[in-house]
Amino acid sequence: DSGVTQTPKHLITATGQRVTLRCSPRSGDLSVYWYQQSLDQGLQFLIQYYNGEERAKGNILERFSAQQFPDLHSELNLSSLELGDSALYFCASSVHRGHPTDTQYFGPGTRLTVL
Amino acid sequence: GESVGLHLPTLSVQEGDNSIINCAYSNSASDYFIWYKQESGKGPQFIIDIRSNMDKRQGQRVTVLLNKTVKHLSLQIAATQPGDSAVYFCAEMTGYGKLTFGQGTILTVHP
Repeated sequence: DSGVTQTPKHLITATGQRVTLRCSPRSGDLSVYWYQQSLDQGLQFLIQYYNGEERAKGNILERFSAQQFPDLHSELNLSSLELGDSALYFCASSVHRGHPTDTQYFGPGTRLTVL
Repeated sequence: GESVGLHLPTLSVQEGDNSIINCAYSNSASDYFIWYKQESGKGPQFIIDIRSNMDKRQGQRVTVLLNKTVKHLSLQIAATQPGDSAVYFCAEMTGYGKLTFGQGTILTVHP
């Protein structure tokens, strides 16, 4: 158990809908990262927040957004869902801002299925 | 059209054998590399890391080797056990906090 929690574990929804995925980092960690894992694209970095502020951005679609709250938990919002958004979404956390030796610890993931 | 999934390399070994998993990375400027293990239904789990100023680092039953000349990383697992069966990913830090993952290798350990 990494100490990172994610809810819900599974989510099934329809195209065009909007969902929110939630992540609580390990105690003491200030950075939260979101990744998408799909069969055809592998594990891809989406976005990082540090202490409430966006720190780095990857291949995140404009339909997706995230935020980190004062208690450091983070939410990933996915809107206008398409079939291709079906994937595993992982949250990771680390102590600092993403320094090169700042180990990222991953949560168990949320499996999103868009029908 | 039909989507094509990633075809992951596979490695099958017998329990007790040593395993070597290889990875080629893309960015010669990457400074930090990590190996993760992902078991079915779980998130990636940190195994071992290495900085670019090193060429070898050892952990418990695992060794990571880095060859910057050919941009190659390998993970050696000694005395492989059935519990080591998983998908193994190498990752490189390609930006501040941004990890870029390899496609992964499926390791199967037969008792």
